[in-house]
Amino acid sequence: GENVEQHPSTLSVQEGDSAVIKCTYSDSASNYFPWYKQELGKRPQLIIDIRSNVGEKKDQRIAVTLNKTAKHFSLHITETQPEDSAVYFCAVGVSGTYKYIFGTGTRLKVLA
Amino acid sequence: GAGVSQSPSNKVTEKGKDVELRCDPISGHTALYWYRQSLGQGLEFLIYFQGNSAPDKSGLPSDRFSAERTGGSVSTLTIQRTQQEDSAVYLCASSPRGAGEQYFGPGTRLTVT
Repeated sequence: GENVEQHPSTLSVQEGDSAVIKCTYSDSASNYFPWYKQELGKRPQLIIDIRSNVGEKKDQRIAVTLNKTAKHFSLHITETQPEDSAVYFCAVGVSGTYKYIFGTGTRLKVLA
Repeated sequence: GAGVSQSPSNKVTEKGKDVELRCDPISGHTALYWYRQSLGQGLEFLIYFQGNSAPDKSGLPSDRFSAERTGGSVSTLTIQRTQQEDSAVYLCASSPRGAGEQYFGPGTRLTVT
């Protein structure tokens, strides 16, 4: 079955710096890759997603890049702010199903 | 409109007892998911329902776990003979079609003593 690995597990950056979180997956047929943000004590919320027919997608300070050949995708946050502090989860849509496998999460701390 | 709701928000039960967790998805969403989130861990897929299709139960950890979705709307996750390792936050999510954004509920925190 699909296997998703997420790195790093924790990440601390200075306010204003960039943060990058990477996920790898195993099934080359997978075609949907969302990222969710979970603030402390709150529910996960979608922040950006990408489908396999594009290589990059941007939304203001957030971008996701996808390398289908290498089977990895990354979340990029630029000009980080304290409110970006949260746990970020990648996910992969399992081909041929509506099932999603989530990564183990990255706890991002933005230091003021 | 109303988001995904779950009840109860917290549940404390004794080892060996059965529990039922409820999820009310967003009206009109055809897909419904259950996940388990242990302390500091990721989201572990349990089961999903899509329309009238047979549910995908491939993530249920044991036969003590079961779920139903009545009338294509409300879902109940049942855990029989609870064990301490079942302690976690159980999250429900719904999606308009299954292929796209999932909207999560606030979760039920289950503590087995």
